Amino acid sequence: DADVTQTPRNRITKTGKRIMLECSQTKGHDRMYWYRQDPGLGLRLIYYSFDVKDINKGEISDGYSVSRQAQAKFSLSLESAIPNQTALYFCATSVAGLNTGELFFGEGSRLTVL
Amino acid sequence: ILNVEQSPQSLHVQEGDSTNFTCSFPSSNFYALHWYRWETAKSPEALFVMTLNGDEKKKGRISATLNTKEGYSYLYIKGSQPEDSATYLCAPNTGNQFYFGTGTSLTVIP
Repeated sequence: DADVTQTPRNRITKTGKRIMLECSQTKGHDRMYWYRQDPGLGLRLIYYSFDVKDINKGEISDGYSVSRQAQAKFSLSLESAIPNQTALYFCATSVAGLNTGELFFGEGSRLTVL
Repeated sequence: ILNVEQSPQSLHVQEGDSTNFTCSFPSSNFYALHWYRWETAKSPEALFVMTLNGDEKKKGRISATLNTKEGYSYLYIKGSQPEDSATYLCAPNTGNQFYFGTGTSLTVIP
């Protein structure tokens, strides 16, 4: 089993629908991240959390919200999905207190908004 | 937001060729430079983390160097093999956040 698990892996939805992408990890890391990948663009940070009580906006947080339910779980919500949120979404984790720590990525969630 | 540039955007080489690509980034507010390898339909995986000016890292046929004063890093692949085909991402880490470049897509032709 993957150390960082994302569900769903693929989702097609309609404009205006609420969508939640879930991420769970067994690595015991405190830091969790949500990234978005679009063709021709680098991975862009949506939100990040350094522990259960810590939530921070990233570069492109508008239209998204997150919830850190536990150390191991970090969910990303699109309250009212729009077509330009069609993208590949990655959850990632890293070790707390180590600014040089590498990111461990989930397998990605491909979202299509019609 | 950090402006991270990677070049070239894509590269096709013959099996056995050696190749290299570049990551450029602002040299201030810098903690570490990460390289990730991203194969199609898989997740990005860390290759190297470098922190000090002049750092050199090596893993098999792949190596990387770091120049923090001028803000660049090179990734070298010696004797490319088809299994090296992937997108290679660099990401400076400023402490709180990673800033990813758009990547270099490498295709190794058998």
